[in-house]
Amino acid sequence: AQKVTQAQTEISVVEKEDVTLDCVYETRDTTYYLFWYKQPPSGELVFLIRRNSFDEQNEISGRYSWNFQKSTSSFNFTITASQVVDSAVYFCALSEATSGTYKYIFGTGTRLKVLA
Amino acid sequence: GAVVSQHPSWVICKSGTSVKIECRSLDFQATTMFWYRQFPKQSLMLMATSNEGSKATYEQGVEKDKFLINHASLTLSTLTVTSAHPEDSSFYICSARTGGPSGSVYEQYFGPGTRLTVT
Repeated sequence: AQKVTQAQTEISVVEKEDVTLDCVYETRDTTYYLFWYKQPPSGELVFLIRRNSFDEQNEISGRYSWNFQKSTSSFNFTITASQVVDSAVYFCALSEATSGTYKYIFGTGTRLKVLA
Repeated sequence: GAVVSQHPSWVICKSGTSVKIECRSLDFQATTMFWYRQFPKQSLMLMATSNEGSKATYEQGVEKDKFLINHASLTLSTLTVTSAHPEDSSFYICSARTGGPSGSVYEQYFGPGTRLTVT
């Protein structure tokens, strides 16, 4: 069965601190995609990154970086030098390729509060 | 590119009435659209998947007679909440996906959401 676990319900950090959001997934598929989305208070989902199961390279985009480790089924997200504007709920999601539907399974989300 | 709109962005209706939410892909053709529901401080839960010209596939526990989905064209899907009750109050989000050859990445593009309040 496919499942995404975001064990951290809420994290509070002080501005400029680094913070890592954890994501652990379960799937039986060998081909799948992992995503991170940001949901600010407005509610609109903001796409951050997509990773396929064959690409384990870590990625860095500005202050954001992602660590994908198939051995531990994890896809963690780190924000360096956090800012107040980073305050939002962050969702990790999984999509399996073989189902043919490419449905997204979302984790429960991590609410990040960055304090000034 | 890849913009999805929803209308209305928020709606208040009285208990027992029906409300329709539209989801449009503005600059691409969406072979598949998905409808999600999100209760406050909770995750997005997939309600149904709709393919253009065919009946929607509902997730377990979602009442298909209550949440009517129509995907009449490649750019428009509608969700109608029939006989709405206060417990249907939620944030409804649609997403759209383009088609492609087997094995390609089918990315979903999300709409901004519709906040429904049933009084």
